[in-house]
Amino acid sequence: GDSVTQMEGPVTLSEEAFLTINCTYTATGYPSLFWYVQYPGEGLQLLLKATKADDKGSNKGFEATYRKETTSFHLEKGSVQVSDSAVYFCALIPNSNYQLIWGAGTKLIIKP
Amino acid sequence: KAGVTQTPRYLIKTRGQQVTLSCSPISGHRSVSWYQQTPGQGLQFLFEYFSETQRNKGNFPGRFSGRQFSNSRSEMNVSTLELGDSALYLCASSLDPDTGELFFGEGSRLTVL
Repeated sequence: GDSVTQMEGPVTLSEEAFLTINCTYTATGYPSLFWYVQYPGEGLQLLLKATKADDKGSNKGFEATYRKETTSFHLEKGSVQVSDSAVYFCALIPNSNYQLIWGAGTKLIIKP
Repeated sequence: KAGVTQTPRYLIKTRGQQVTLSCSPISGHRSVSWYQQTPGQGLQFLFEYFSETQRNKGNFPGRFSGRQFSNSRSEMNVSTLELGDSALYLCASSLDPDTGELFFGEGSRLTVL
């Protein structure tokens, strides 16, 4: 069945470091891909999305490119801030049943 | 524009009791989904309602139930609470759930003693 695999956390970085959080997926057809973020004490919020191959989603300095050939949607940011500390969820919605499939989440800790 | 509102934010119950959680979606959103979030199991889908009809259901026992009212507000109920039901329960609303774009509330944190 459809699934999403994220790198395990926590990921700990220093402020201004480069961030990559890996996400790979298994799905038939061409699902839409998402990154959601959950800041401490809050619900999730949509960070960015991509709906077709080679699309790049971007928001708040974060980027992710829909790679069909490697079935990946890695999240990147050039220079992280302490305020980026949060849990990041990768997700997909397949064309077959439009039910979101979630990754396990990756906790990101940014140290000043 | 008001966001998704969940009540209560925190509650403590004992085993065997039941609990009802409430969710008010963003105005105009007719879809409401419920999730259970725990450190061990991550984000688990409970069910989704659209215009008062349950569209999808996750793999949870029958103790977990929900409903949606004509004003799109939703409630979920857990009966005969178990220790393992302690979790953050998140509600999300959507204008079009097939897009995958959900708007989450801050959650109701349930502790079962």
